[in-house]
Amino acid sequence: KAGVTQTPRYLIKTRGQQVTLSCSPISGHRSVSWYQQTPGQGLQFLFEYFSETQRNKGNFPGRFSGRQFSNSRSEMNVSTLELGDSALYLCASSFVPSGQGGYEQYFGPGTRLTVT
Amino acid sequence: DAKTTQPNSMESNEEEPVHLPCNHSTISGTDYIHWYRQLPSQGPEYVIHGLTSNVNNRMASLAIAEDRKSSTLILHRATLRDAAVYYCILGGSQGNLIFGKGTKLSVKP
Repeated sequence: KAGVTQTPRYLIKTRGQQVTLSCSPISGHRSVSWYQQTPGQGLQFLFEYFSETQRNKGNFPGRFSGRQFSNSRSEMNVSTLELGDSALYLCASSFVPSGQGGYEQYFGPGTRLTVT
Repeated sequence: DAKTTQPNSMESNEEEPVHLPCNHSTISGTDYIHWYRQLPSQGPEYVIHGLTSNVNNRMASLAIAEDRKSSTLILHRATLRDAAVYYCILGGSQGNLIFGKGTKLSVKP
């Protein structure tokens, strides 16, 4: 079974631009979560989608948004990029949504975003 | 959100067992204990999870204290490929996983 895939793997953008990252979950998984990882803040939860609905949202500004399609693929968008948005963006999928206790999340390799 | 406390780093010798501790004194009755690890330049990888009883899988064992205020991840025979940051996370009705700083495990040949 193919794992979680994320595209692109690397991205360089300029401050003020916007960016869209894509995530394809493991086949059959309907929950997709997004995380931001930086050296200073570690892994921080952005949001989770399950069956095209946002279930949870982390403490990030409204410039960070996401959506999920009927095939469970998900995209996240960051508008008006700032230098501090440079990070590794990770996507994780699971069969059941969070809040059901013992669920397993499977992470993709991440998209490395550099904002200059 | 319930928090976990882990040592910043640990060292192990190859082919020896490793016991990675985690304290979670404010755990609630519905919180599962999850362990993930992150190898260099990779996304986190699921290791194991449990609620009350000890758990075993092909990667590791999870020993949970009777009062559930602490747990230990056991790698039975460390290999160089086990060098990673190990995260102990509580997850339950709150929903999403909240990652802490984790324990950086070094394995010496």
